Amino acid sequence: GDSVTQMEGPVTLSEEAFLTINCTYTATGYPSLFWYVQYPGEGLQLLLKATKADDKGSNKGFEATYRKETTSFHLEKGSVQVSDSAVYFCALKNANQAGTALIFGKGTTLSVSS
Amino acid sequence: DARVTQTPRHKVTEMGQEVTMRCQPILGHNTVFWYRQTMMQGLELLAYFRNRAPLDDSGMPKDRFSAEMPDATLATLKIQPSEPRDSAVYFCASGGGISGRAYNEQFFGPGTRLTVL
Repeated sequence: GDSVTQMEGPVTLSEEAFLTINCTYTATGYPSLFWYVQYPGEGLQLLLKATKADDKGSNKGFEATYRKETTSFHLEKGSVQVSDSAVYFCALKNANQAGTALIFGKGTTLSVSS
Repeated sequence: DARVTQTPRHKVTEMGQEVTMRCQPILGHNTVFWYRQTMMQGLELLAYFRNRAPLDDSGMPKDRFSAEMPDATLATLKIQPSEPRDSAVYFCASGGGISGRAYNEQFFGPGTRLTVL
């Protein structure tokens, strides 16, 4: 079945460091891909998305490119801030399936120190 | 700014008691999801509804869990009897619709943190 694999955390960085969180997926068809972020004590919120191969999603300085050849959707940010400390979830929605449920990875905790 | 609301935000109960969690989806969204989040298992899909009809509840332990949508503005998740292993954060999310952001995106509520002693 469809699945999402994220790099294990926690990831600990200093402010202004470069961030990469790896995400790979397995899916039939042509899924849409998402990154969600969960701040402490809150629910998940959409960070960015890409709906077809080679699309780049971006938001708040974060970027991820839909790479069909490597089945990846790695999250990057050039200069992290303390306020970026959160749990990041990679997810997919398989457009070929009738339901609209998302399949989530296990999440990667990011901790940024000043 | 429309949001998914969940009540209660926190619940502490004793083993064997019934627990009911409520969710109010965003008006106009036709799909409602229930997730459970634990440290060990991460985020698990329990069940979801479209137009108030259950589409998939395969992730939910059927013997003690039940999910319903009595109307378009309310979704409930019940656990009876509750057990310590049910301790988790339960999230409701809504989405769906014909087009626009809601077609692809799920909007999450703040969650109900359940502790079963």
